Amino acid sequence: AQRVTQPEKLLSVFKGAPVELKCNYSYSGSPELFWYVQYSRQRLQLLLRHISRESIKGFTADLNKGETSFHLKKPFAQEEDSAMYYCALGRGGSEKLVFGKGTKLTVNP
Amino acid sequence: DGGITQSPKYLFRKEGQNVTLSCEQNLNHDAMYWYRQDPGQGLRLIYYSQIVNDFQKGDIAEGYSVSREKKESFPLTVTSAQKNPTAFYLCASTQGESYGYTFGSGTRLTVV
Repeated sequence: AQRVTQPEKLLSVFKGAPVELKCNYSYSGSPELFWYVQYSRQRLQLLLRHISRESIKGFTADLNKGETSFHLKKPFAQEEDSAMYYCALGRGGSEKLVFGKGTKLTVNP
Repeated sequence: DGGITQSPKYLFRKEGQNVTLSCEQNLNHDAMYWYRQDPGQGLRLIYYSQIVNDFQKGDIAEGYSVSREKKESFPLTVTSAQKNPTAFYLCASTQGESYGYTFGSGTRLTVV
Protein backbone atom coordinates (compact mmCIF):
# COMPACT_ATOMS: atom_id res chain seq x y z
CA ALA A 1 0.00 0.00 0.00
CA GLN A 2 1.13 3.52 -0.70
CA ARG A 3 2.16 5.34 2.42
CA VAL A 4 3.79 8.61 3.40
CA THR A 5 5.60 8.93 6.70
CA GLN A 6 6.57 12.19 8.32
CA PRO A 7 8.35 11.03 11.47
CA GLU A 8 8.32 14.37 13.28
CA LYS A 9 5.02 15.76 14.50
CA LEU A 10 6.73 18.88 15.81
CA LEU A 11 9.98 20.56 14.84
CA SER A 12 11.40 23.63 16.46
CA VAL A 13 14.44 25.59 15.27
CA PHE A 14 15.89 29.03 15.79
CA LYS A 15 15.84 31.73 13.15
CA GLY A 16 18.82 31.42 10.84
CA ALA A 17 19.37 27.74 11.58
CA PRO A 18 19.07 25.08 8.88
CA VAL A 19 15.87 23.10 8.83
CA GLU A 20 15.04 19.70 7.40
CA LEU A 21 11.56 18.20 7.41
CA LYS A 22 11.65 14.50 6.76
CA CYS A 23 9.40 12.56 4.42
CA ASN A 24 9.63 8.89 3.53
CA TYR A 25 7.32 7.11 1.18
CA SER A 26 6.34 3.59 0.28
CA TYR A 27 5.38 2.97 -3.33
CA SER A 28 6.52 0.40 -5.85
CA GLY A 29 5.81 2.50 -8.91
CA SER A 30 7.22 5.77 -10.16
CA PRO A 31 6.26 8.34 -7.53
CA GLU A 32 5.32 11.96 -7.84
CA LEU A 33 6.03 13.86 -4.65
CA PHE A 34 4.86 17.18 -3.31
CA TRP A 35 5.23 19.41 -0.31
CA TYR A 36 2.25 21.44 0.85
CA VAL A 37 2.25 24.17 3.47
CA GLN A 38 -0.52 25.54 5.65
CA TYR A 39 0.19 28.84 7.37
CA SER A 40 -1.93 29.88 10.30
CA ARG A 41 -5.47 30.76 9.19
CA GLN A 42 -4.63 30.20 5.53
CA ARG A 43 -5.56 27.50 3.11
CA LEU A 44 -3.32 24.59 2.26
CA GLN A 45 -1.11 25.49 -0.68
CA LEU A 46 1.41 23.76 -2.87
CA LEU A 47 4.98 24.57 -1.89
CA LEU A 48 6.90 22.52 -4.40
CA ARG A 49 6.81 19.36 -6.49
CA HIS A 50 9.72 17.14 -7.28
CA ILE A 51 9.26 17.09 -11.05
CA SER A 52 9.81 20.84 -11.33
CA ARG A 53 13.02 20.77 -9.28
CA GLU A 54 12.36 24.35 -8.23
CA SER A 55 13.19 26.28 -5.11
CA ILE A 56 10.32 28.10 -3.46
CA LYS A 57 10.82 30.53 -0.57
CA GLY A 58 14.31 29.08 -0.19
CA PHE A 59 13.06 25.52 0.26
CA THR A 60 14.31 22.62 -1.81
CA ALA A 61 13.56 18.92 -1.82
CA ASP A 62 15.32 16.13 -3.62
CA LEU A 63 13.74 12.82 -4.45
CA ASN A 64 15.98 9.97 -3.33
CA LYS A 65 14.55 6.80 -4.81
CA GLY A 66 17.15 4.61 -3.11
CA GLU A 67 16.15 5.82 0.33
CA THR A 68 12.52 6.48 -0.73
CA SER A 69 12.76 9.94 0.76
CA PHE A 70 11.77 13.47 -0.20
CA HIS A 71 13.07 15.63 2.63
CA LEU A 72 12.37 19.36 2.61
CA LYS A 73 15.32 21.60 3.39
CA LYS A 74 16.08 25.24 3.92
CA PRO A 75 19.55 26.51 4.86
CA PHE A 76 18.41 29.48 6.96
CA ALA A 77 14.98 29.31 8.57
CA GLN A 78 12.85 32.44 8.94
CA GLU A 79 10.09 33.11 11.47
CA GLU A 80 7.55 33.32 8.64
CA ASP A 81 8.33 29.69 7.79
CA SER A 82 6.42 28.62 10.89
CA ALA A 83 3.56 26.50 9.56
CA MET A 84 2.23 23.00 9.10
CA TYR A 85 3.97 21.06 6.35
CA TYR A 86 2.56 18.04 4.57
CA CYS A 87 4.35 15.67 2.25
CA ALA A 88 2.17 14.03 -0.40
CA LEU A 89 2.62 11.10 -2.78
CA GLY A 90 1.03 10.83 -6.20
CA ARG A 91 0.47 7.41 -7.60
CA GLY A 92 0.59 8.35 -11.22
CA GLY A 93 -2.50 8.32 -13.40
CA SER A 94 -5.02 7.87 -10.61
CA GLU A 95 -4.76 11.52 -9.61
CA LYS A 96 -5.11 10.69 -5.94
CA LEU A 97 -2.64 12.09 -3.48
CA VAL A 98 -1.76 10.33 -0.26
CA PHE A 99 -0.74 12.73 2.48
CA GLY A 100 1.50 12.29 5.46
CA LYS A 101 0.30 13.34 8.91
CA GLY A 102 2.21 16.57 8.78
CA THR A 103 5.00 18.30 10.67
CA LYS A 104 4.43 21.50 12.56
CA LEU A 105 7.46 23.72 12.17
CA THR A 106 8.10 26.51 14.64
CA VAL A 107 10.90 28.96 13.98
CA ASN A 108 11.84 30.80 17.14
CA PRO A 109 13.32 34.32 17.12
CA ASP B 1 -10.24 35.50 -9.73
CA GLY B 2 -10.00 31.74 -10.15
CA GLY B 3 -10.12 29.33 -7.30
CA ILE B 4 -12.14 27.01 -5.11
CA THR B 5 -14.86 28.25 -2.82
CA GLN B 6 -16.10 26.21 0.11
CA SER B 7 -19.15 27.16 2.10
CA PRO B 8 -20.06 27.59 4.79
CA LYS B 9 -16.90 28.28 6.74
CA TYR B 10 -18.44 26.97 9.96
CA LEU B 11 -21.31 24.51 10.26
CA PHE B 12 -23.06 23.11 13.27
CA ARG B 13 -25.06 19.93 13.05
CA LYS B 14 -27.36 18.26 15.48
CA GLU B 15 -27.13 14.55 16.10
CA GLY B 16 -29.06 12.62 13.47
CA GLN B 17 -29.06 15.35 10.86
CA ASN B 18 -27.61 15.27 7.39
CA VAL B 19 -25.66 18.32 6.27
CA THR B 20 -24.23 19.29 2.90
CA LEU B 21 -20.93 21.09 2.39
CA SER B 22 -20.53 23.09 -0.78
CA CYS B 23 -17.47 23.13 -3.04
CA GLU B 24 -17.37 25.19 -6.24
CA GLN B 25 -14.41 25.79 -8.57
CA ASN B 26 -13.97 28.02 -11.59
CA LEU B 27 -10.60 26.62 -12.62
CA ASN B 28 -12.04 24.30 -15.26
CA HIS B 29 -10.46 21.35 -13.45
CA ASP B 30 -11.82 17.90 -14.21
CA ALA B 31 -10.83 16.22 -10.95
CA MET B 32 -12.16 17.18 -7.53
CA TYR B 33 -11.58 15.73 -4.07
CA TRP B 34 -12.85 15.80 -0.52
CA TYR B 35 -10.46 15.33 2.37
CA ARG B 36 -10.99 15.30 6.07
CA GLN B 37 -8.32 16.90 8.26
CA ASP B 38 -8.05 15.89 11.90
CA PRO B 39 -5.26 16.88 14.32
CA GLY B 40 -2.45 14.36 14.16
CA GLN B 41 -4.15 12.44 11.33
CA GLY B 42 -3.15 14.47 8.31
CA LEU B 43 -5.52 14.51 5.36
CA ARG B 44 -7.65 11.49 4.63
CA LEU B 45 -9.48 11.05 1.34
CA ILE B 46 -13.26 10.75 1.54
CA TYR B 47 -14.41 10.81 -2.10
CA TYR B 48 -13.04 11.94 -5.42
CA SER B 49 -14.34 12.57 -8.89
CA GLN B 50 -12.29 12.60 -12.05
CA ILE B 51 -15.11 13.52 -14.38
CA VAL B 52 -18.69 14.74 -14.30
CA ASN B 53 -21.27 12.14 -13.27
CA ASP B 54 -18.62 9.82 -11.89
CA PHE B 55 -17.03 9.52 -8.46
CA GLN B 56 -15.17 6.97 -6.36
CA LYS B 57 -14.86 6.22 -2.69
CA GLY B 58 -11.71 7.19 -0.92
CA ASP B 59 -10.25 5.70 2.22
CA ILE B 60 -12.94 6.85 4.66
CA ALA B 61 -16.16 7.10 2.61
CA GLU B 62 -18.51 5.50 5.14
CA GLY B 63 -21.15 7.94 6.32
CA TYR B 64 -20.56 10.36 3.46
CA SER B 65 -22.08 10.85 0.02
CA VAL B 66 -21.27 13.06 -2.96
CA SER B 67 -22.60 14.06 -6.35
CA ARG B 68 -20.95 15.52 -9.44
CA GLU B 69 -23.67 16.82 -11.72
CA LYS B 70 -21.63 19.79 -12.90
CA LYS B 71 -17.93 20.18 -13.55
CA GLU B 72 -17.77 23.16 -11.23
CA SER B 73 -19.48 21.62 -8.24
CA PHE B 74 -18.76 18.69 -5.92
CA PRO B 75 -20.95 18.85 -2.79
CA LEU B 76 -20.34 16.53 0.14
CA THR B 77 -23.16 15.30 2.36
CA VAL B 78 -22.28 14.18 5.85
CA THR B 79 -25.01 11.76 6.85
CA SER B 80 -26.23 10.70 10.25
CA ALA B 81 -24.40 7.41 9.67
CA GLN B 82 -21.03 9.14 10.10
CA LYS B 83 -20.10 8.34 13.66
CA ASN B 84 -17.56 11.08 14.25
CA PRO B 85 -18.28 13.92 11.87
CA THR B 86 -16.69 16.77 13.81
CA ALA B 87 -13.70 17.73 11.69
CA PHE B 88 -12.24 20.17 9.20
CA TYR B 89 -13.23 19.34 5.62
CA LEU B 90 -11.13 20.34 2.64
CA CYS B 91 -12.10 20.34 -1.01
CA ALA B 92 -9.46 20.31 -3.75
CA SER B 93 -9.22 20.17 -7.51
CA THR B 94 -6.53 19.57 -10.08
CA GLN B 95 -5.95 19.82 -13.81
CA GLY B 96 -3.68 16.83 -13.55
CA GLU B 97 -1.89 15.17 -10.68
CA SER B 98 1.53 16.37 -11.75
CA TYR B 99 0.42 19.93 -11.17
CA GLY B 100 -0.64 19.31 -7.60
CA TYR B 101 -3.91 20.31 -6.02
CA THR B 102 -5.61 23.63 -5.43
CA PHE B 103 -7.40 23.64 -2.09
CA GLY B 104 -10.39 25.48 -0.76
CA SER B 105 -10.31 27.29 2.57
CA GLY B 106 -12.22 24.51 4.31
CA THR B 107 -15.40 24.00 6.32
CA ARG B 108 -15.28 23.27 10.03
CA LEU B 109 -18.14 21.00 10.99
CA THR B 110 -19.13 20.59 14.61
CA VAL B 111 -21.77 18.23 15.94
CA VAL B 112 -23.72 19.72 18.83
